[in-house]
Amino acid sequence: SQQGEEDPQALSIQEGENATMNCSYKTSINNLQWYRQNSGRGLVHLILIRSNEREKHSGRLRVTLDTSKKSSSLLITASRAADTASYFCATDDPRNNDMRFGAGTRLTVKP
Amino acid sequence: DSGVTQTPKHLITATGQRVTLRCSPRSGDLSVYWYQQSLDQGLQFLIQYYNGEERAKGNILERFSAQQFPDLHSELNLSSLELGDSALYFCASTVSGRAADTQYFGPGTRLTVL
Repeated sequence: SQQGEEDPQALSIQEGENATMNCSYKTSINNLQWYRQNSGRGLVHLILIRSNEREKHSGRLRVTLDTSKKSSSLLITASRAADTASYFCATDDPRNNDMRFGAGTRLTVKP
Repeated sequence: DSGVTQTPKHLITATGQRVTLRCSPRSGDLSVYWYQQSLDQGLQFLIQYYNGEERAKGNILERFSAQQFPDLHSELNLSSLELGDSALYFCASTVSGRAADTQYFGPGTRLTVL
């Protein structure tokens, strides 16, 4: 079963625009991670935010975490065509020591 | 390049057959995770090994089994294959085996069952 759920399922924007993806989860977590996957390739880790953090930046990425709402958002600023990929949030499940991934948001950035 | 290798890249086989997928973790990583990704199911956690021992189990079918060897490489065995087993299979590795760690993914094995 999946822990995180991304929203929207698909997002299409123009190059230069910002892209925002959301993730909701169900149980308590130690941290939340965002991964990116180019079509048919392995996932690549983007950023990790701990449960006691509210916001984190990495380059053009900004992640927020609201543990009271059990939700996170990933913002990609000034998007590029190369950002076209699927983006997944992942949360650890302390009860089972496994990581659960959401179904992903498919982002298309049009040049 | 994550440092995690998976072989083979592609595998085409028939229903009822058995296949073995192989994963070598990053140098220094002790834990290996296996995932299945199909179009309609997203990324499903199958099983985790840490330093040769099973650490956590997810949605792994009884027809599937895995092990981690002393050199830390891992194999996922899929038997009595069905059409629905067609998917991408990924392994990922971490240093400590805690679910909260960053996972480094291999390029995946695409399995097609005909």
